[in-house]
Amino acid sequence: GESVGLHLPTLSVQEGDNSIINCAYSNSASDYFIWYKQESGKGPQFIIDIRSNMDKRQGQRVTVLLNKTVKHLSLQIAATQPGDSAVYFCAETGTGNQFYFGTGTSLTVIP
Amino acid sequence: DTGVSQDPRHKITKRGQNVTFRCDPISEHNRLYWYRQTLGQGPEFLTYFQNEAQLEKSRLLSDRFSAERPKGSFSTLEIQRTEQGDSAMYLCASSHGTGSSYEQYFGPGTRLTVT
Repeated sequence: GESVGLHLPTLSVQEGDNSIINCAYSNSASDYFIWYKQESGKGPQFIIDIRSNMDKRQGQRVTVLLNKTVKHLSLQIAATQPGDSAVYFCAETGTGNQFYFGTGTSLTVIP
Repeated sequence: DTGVSQDPRHKITKRGQNVTFRCDPISEHNRLYWYRQTLGQGPEFLTYFQNEAQLEKSRLLSDRFSAERPKGSFSTLEIQRTEQGDSAMYLCASSHGTGSSYEQYFGPGTRLTVT
């Protein structure tokens, strides 16, 4: 079956620094990827998505990079703020009917 | 509030009892998903509806679990004969289902504790 994993379970960064969260996926048939942010006690919140026909997509302060050759996805957060502290998940899907989430990376921003 | 809502937010039940959760998606969304999330883990896909049709169901989903979306709007997830291992957060998400985005909007979840 599909598996989505994250390289680092925890990440601490200084406020103002850039953060990079990594994710590996195993299903080469997946063609759509999403990054979610989940704060304590809340449901996941969509951050940014990318299709497999792209290798980079930028949002507000966030950039997602996709390397299909090595099945790797990363989320870059620029100028990290205390409000960015949360658990970040990547998720993948092929058809949009089933989504597979990774374990998550807990990001802590140090003021 | 026009987001995804779930009811109840918390449920404590004794082992062996049946429980039912409700999800109200965003009104124009035709895709609805149920997930289960345990502490420290990512959401685990359970099932997916497009309108009223249940199109996908996880192989991991026990036959004690059943979900419905009778009119293509709200959905219910029932767990029969609950076990302690069913204790988790149950999340519902909806998406528009058109265009190139599968952006899902999640509800706040129902936290189930089986004693």
